[in-house]
Amino acid sequence: QVTLKESGPVLVKPTETLTLTCTVSGFSLSNARMGVSWIRQPPGKALEWLAHIISNDGKSYRTSLKSRLTISKDTSKSQVVLIMTNMDPVDTATYYCARIMGGGDCYSGLCPYYSMDVWGKGTTVTVSS
Amino acid sequence: DIQMTQSPSSLSASVGDRVTITCRASQSISSYLNWYQQKPGKAPKLLIYTASTLQVGVPSRFSGSGSGTDFTLTISSLQPEDFATYYCQQSYNTLTFGPGTKVDVK
Repeated sequence: QVTLKESGPVLVKPTETLTLTCTVSGFSLSNARMGVSWIRQPPGKALEWLAHIISNDGKSYRTSLKSRLTISKDTSKSQVVLIMTNMDPVDTATYYCARIMGGGDCYSGLCPYYSMDVWGKGTTVTVSS
Repeated sequence: DIQMTQSPSSLSASVGDRVTITCRASQSISSYLNWYQQKPGKAPKLLIYTASTLQVGVPSRFSGSGSGTDFTLTISSLQPEDFATYYCQQSYNTLTFGPGTKVDVK
């Protein structure tokens, strides 16, 4: 059974750095077609994709947040970590991690398309002083 | 970045209705379009990938179509458990979600 679980602080202060961990089970982060995405959802608002990391350690970031985000993985621990710097109250949201599954003809971990087929339950982060 | 729009932003429907939601991309994304369903307080669930392929376990009343810039999600006969918010998402160039369409009770 594939599961993902987010963990991290519930409350952070403005200007602080947020570190979130996604611990996965039921699949390997070294699987060529698989990776992990981070997505957030501010209260009452739409989903926002933040970043993803794939098996060959390739990384992609939301353009508007690229300077604030770092994603990394520890395959031996089955964990993916997202770091977001300089937190602001507008970053208050539920943060989800999800497995991304690549489809089509994949080469060196890069696939023509991806979908997020299994999601964690999410973790709520509030930014407030 | 590729922008996604959805219409309508919300709709009211009754059980048994046929429901259609439209998603449009700001540039061609081939068929690299996924649909998700989200219920309040829950994580999203993948319904359809590559525009028209039903994810395993998703009821056949859900269907998707389209390519290029215009896509649709259709629920052939709305069931009580289908009242939710639906998001499209492209994976042609990084990943982008649409703003969502909320389906509620008429």
